[in-house]
Amino acid sequence: QVQLQESGPGLVKPSETLSLTCTVSGDSISNYFWSWIRQPPGQGLEWIAYIYNSGSTSYNPSLRSRVTISADTSKNQFSLKLTSVTAADTAVYYCVRNSHLGVQNSPRYFDYWGRGTLVTVSS
Amino acid sequence: IVMTQSPVSLAVTPGEPASISCRSSQSLLYSNGYNYMDWYLQKPGQSPHLLIYLGSHRASGVPDRFSGSGSGTDFTLKISRVEAEDVGVYYCMQALQTPSTFGQGTRLEIK
Repeated sequence: QVQLQESGPGLVKPSETLSLTCTVSGDSISNYFWSWIRQPPGQGLEWIAYIYNSGSTSYNPSLRSRVTISADTSKNQFSLKLTSVTAADTAVYYCVRNSHLGVQNSPRYFDYWGRGTLVTVSS
Repeated sequence: IVMTQSPVSLAVTPGEPASISCRSSQSLLYSNGYNYMDWYLQKPGQSPHLLIYLGSHRASGVPDRFSGSGSGTDFTLKISRVEAEDVGVYYCMQALQTPSTFGQGTRLEIK
């Protein structure tokens, strides 16, 4: 059974960098595509980025200038860094496996999700 | 691509059917004949999970009371007989054009 677990600080100060790690078990991150998705409190879902082949990446253009996704195959982990955060970045952040891509290599078929971790941006 | 769901919320009596609509601002039908749209359900306090992919294909383990239909810009998720465990927020998502984008969600409650 594939399992994903997010970890990282739950509180980040404005203008600082949000850093999260996802630890995957039951599958190798060398397989498939691995995404970050976020959900502001009481709101909908926003895809942030994915990584595959342990280094190839795709980003949501709306966040691209502030986001970096990376992977550590030795630990079977992938990570998210979001710079210059504001209160608008407060959200539950999910790490997710997407098994397939759509047209334009857009992520789809999000079949395994972590439980999510709430990150609050506040001073 | 903007995804618009309706209704925003609905309350259904157990055993009755339910229907959720999703409209996309552009056609999601690709030249290969597939509609690039998924449906997800987020139960209270849980992460979302995949229900339907490519518009009408049930994901593994999804009960057959769930069905997806539609093509182009108009899609429907139907639950033939609602059960108490079906409560939550339903999201449609397009994957025709990057970035993939979600609808705002439809909340299903039990009467």
